[in-house]
Amino acid sequence: SQQGEEDPQALSIQEGENATMNCSYKTSINNLQWYRQNSGRGLVHLILIRSNEREKHSGRLRVTLDTSKKSSSLLITASRAADTASYFCAPERYNTDKLIFGTGTRLQVFP
Amino acid sequence: DAGVTQSPTHLIKTRGQQVTLRCSPKSGHDTVSWYQQALGQGPQFIFQYYEEEERQRGNFPDRFSGHQFPNYSSELNVNALLLGDSALYLCASSQGIEQFFGPGTRLTVL
Repeated sequence: SQQGEEDPQALSIQEGENATMNCSYKTSINNLQWYRQNSGRGLVHLILIRSNEREKHSGRLRVTLDTSKKSSSLLITASRAADTASYFCAPERYNTDKLIFGTGTRLQVFP
Repeated sequence: DAGVTQSPTHLIKTRGQQVTLRCSPKSGHDTVSWYQQALGQGPQFIFQYYEEEERQRGNFPDRFSGHQFPNYSSELNVNALLLGDSALYLCASSQGIEQFFGPGTRLTVL
């Protein structure tokens, strides 16, 4: 069964707006990684947050992690049309190297 | 520095056939994982190879097998193909925590 579940399933915004995607998972984790996928091709690694971290930034990306609620969020600020893609959270199951993906959030950014 | 590469890009097979997909990890990476991504779904973990041995496995039948070579490259083999095996097959390499994915191989089973 899917472990990382993203919400919403789809999101449409205008360029310049912020986009927030949420992720929930079910088990203990080592870390949680966020990926972007364009047009069903390979996954691009965006950011990793360890289980003992609460917030992390990378450029226009901000990720939070709440292990007590088993949830994470990805914020993309000042979005661009090029950010249009599917975004996946992938919690790494505790004591394994398995990334468990949900069905992703499809983000559409209109110019 | 080349990233993760996979071959072929696309492949069309018929039911019952066998297929081999290939992956070259990112330079310096010694661990390779394989994932299957059906249309509209997230990737599903198939198995992981480290030091030429299968270290972890997901919920996939024995028709799915793999191999890792001394240079860390890897192959995924699928026997007795079914229509439901049609998917994007992704390879990810790592040395440590972050996993980096290749562009994938699109397999179509007719």
